Amino acid sequence: DGGITQSPKYLFRKEGQNVTLSCEQNLNHDAMYWYRQDPGQGLRLIYYSQIVNDFQKGDIAEGYSVSREKKESFPLTVTSAQKNPTAFYLCATHRGGSTEAFFGQGTRLTVV
Amino acid sequence: DAKTTQPPSMDCAEGRAANLPCNHSTISGNEYVYWYRQIHSQGPQYIIHGLKNNETNEMASLIITEDRKSSTLILPHATLRDTAVYYCIVRVAAVGGNTPLVFGKGTRLSVIA
Repeated sequence: DGGITQSPKYLFRKEGQNVTLSCEQNLNHDAMYWYRQDPGQGLRLIYYSQIVNDFQKGDIAEGYSVSREKKESFPLTVTSAQKNPTAFYLCATHRGGSTEAFFGQGTRLTVV
Repeated sequence: DAKTTQPPSMDCAEGRAANLPCNHSTISGNEYVYWYRQIHSQGPQYIIHGLKNNETNEMASLIITEDRKSSTLILPHATLRDTAVYYCIVRVAAVGGNTPLVFGKGTRLSVIA
């Protein structure tokens, strides 16, 4: 079954702990993106990667880190430096050019 | 920041056409107009995109004005399942390049029975 897999769907962590959100794709797309969504708001770009071993900061990268060691995987780590990490996190991929982007079903992170 | 302006909310009667407007007055010649929608607590879903010609697919039609400063997404026969937040996005689409989608707050469409 082709697509983007984000896991887990729901995640709970204690304040001060780092947590890593998984995003895996089998679409063979070069570009991958991480977005954050807060209630009633649009999506905000955290990080994106256009190719393996390369990534760029988005608009709200502070307190987050990523890696892109494989084309299929783009994990996002929410560090303790992120002051308000509770949010809905969405991963997306894109083949390139004028084609459309595809989104995973998201991970809802709650920090208590 | 998003380069588009959309009304925050709209209602539409079930079975009627839903016409969602979008202003993008600063659009550049190499920027496409994309529409996505997001049903509650799910990832956004691609609907349609276009450069300057009107486009139609199985989900919707996209009408772009001749000056490209605005567009309208048309859902021809809205159903309750079309209730969602609809995002209009402009984006440079270069072969071999991937510029991220920049989302605004979108339009919350409520389809009413």
